Amino acid sequence: QQPVQSPQAVILREGEDAVINCSSSKALYSVHWYRQKHGEAPVFLMILLKGGEQKGHEKISASFNEKKQQSSLYLTASQLSYSGTYFCGSYGGATNKLIFGTGTLLAVQP
Amino acid sequence: DVKVTQSSRYLVKRTGEKVFLECVQDMDHENMFWYRQDPGLGLRLIYFSYDVKMKEKGDIPEGYSVSREKKERFSLILESASTNQTSMYLCASSSSLGPTQYFGPGTRLTVT
Repeated sequence: QQPVQSPQAVILREGEDAVINCSSSKALYSVHWYRQKHGEAPVFLMILLKGGEQKGHEKISASFNEKKQQSSLYLTASQLSYSGTYFCGSYGGATNKLIFGTGTLLAVQP
Repeated sequence: DVKVTQSSRYLVKRTGEKVFLECVQDMDHENMFWYRQDPGLGLRLIYFSYDVKMKEKGDIPEGYSVSREKKERFSLILESASTNQTSMYLCASSSSLGPTQYFGPGTRLTVT
């Protein structure tokens, strides 16, 4: 079952904050976040392991609540370079594959 | 740096043609994946391979097949292309040590 991301799309002004959510119907071992800039390959941002720890990349951080099977990505003081499509990937621990979410399109405007 | 390359950035084919999409990785990764990306549907797994000559179906394998004769190369085959296979196709690879994946730039396939 594919994780569901919300919102589907968000438009921000530079300096504003945003939150992207990822919900899975299955138990998660870890959650992975990727960003795909327009016309480019998706790039790994960070991995969240069980334990609810937060991770950071630039001014982007994330949390993982394994009980709720949810992860959230926090973009603080957004920059133009943050624009792109963000994907969460759920990992159940049993296989080599990630199940990617539906994606969130983020557009940061000047 | 890990490098994953795909044979074409853009491809236009006619309905019924046989289509080959090639992917090569240079990091000696055991696992390789093919996804298709469509607006609102995210990345959906077509097939993956965890070893040479091994393959497993993903979530949407219908109409596709794959081939992995060498560790670094993973091919996606559309036996008889149809218009509903018009999409962006992404290849990825990962090590057996962890699930983090490295993606190629994608092939935008249009079937007319």
